[in-house]
Amino acid sequence: SQELEQSPQSLIVQEGKNLTINCTSSKTLYGLYWYKQKYGEGLIFLMMLQKGGEEKSHEKITAKLDEKKQQSSLHITASQPSHAGIYLCGAENSNSGYALNFGKGTSLLVTP
Amino acid sequence: KAGVTQTPRYLIKTRGQQVTLSCSPISGHRSVSWYQQTPGQGLQFLFEYFSETQRNKGNFPGRFSGRQFSNSRSEMNVSTLELGDSALYLCASSPQVNTGELFFGEGSRLTVL
Repeated sequence: SQELEQSPQSLIVQEGKNLTINCTSSKTLYGLYWYKQKYGEGLIFLMMLQKGGEEKSHEKITAKLDEKKQQSSLHITASQPSHAGIYLCGAENSNSGYALNFGKGTSLLVTP
Repeated sequence: KAGVTQTPRYLIKTRGQQVTLSCSPISGHRSVSWYQQTPGQGLQFLFEYFSETQRNKGNFPGRFSGRQFSNSRSEMNVSTLELGDSALYLCASSPQVNTGELFFGEGSRLTVL
């Protein structure tokens, strides 16, 4: 089955700094989704990437899918305390239709 | 528009009991999925329903079951609870099938003692 590995597991950055979270798949990604979760709450959809080389941005968050479609990165520019939370990447599971396999998540803390 | 509503938000059960969790999707959303989130295993897919039919099922034992009603509301049931079933159970809805763009509820946190 497809496994998604996220790195780093956790991250503490100072407000205003840039950061990058990576998501690597053991198989080709046909649909890669980024979600954000506030601690103990539900997930909020951020972005979806499907094509190799695709890049999408929303406010200060940019996500990219590499040409080989096996790695995605999420980049936050000029981080703010509101960016704190757990970022999860999810990929369509070819064995279970559009059910998503998720990575273990990256916990982000932004300090003043 | 109201979001996905899950009830109860918190519950405590003992081993061997059973539990039923409820999920009301966003109005107009006909697809409902359930996920289990634990610190060790992360977020794992349980099942997906569309128009009262289970379309997909994750790799969980038969103690985990679910259903969807004609108004798209969904319930999941876990029988003969085990300590390892302690988790945050998340429900998500979407307006269509074949999409990973899901709208999640805040979850039901189950503790099994």
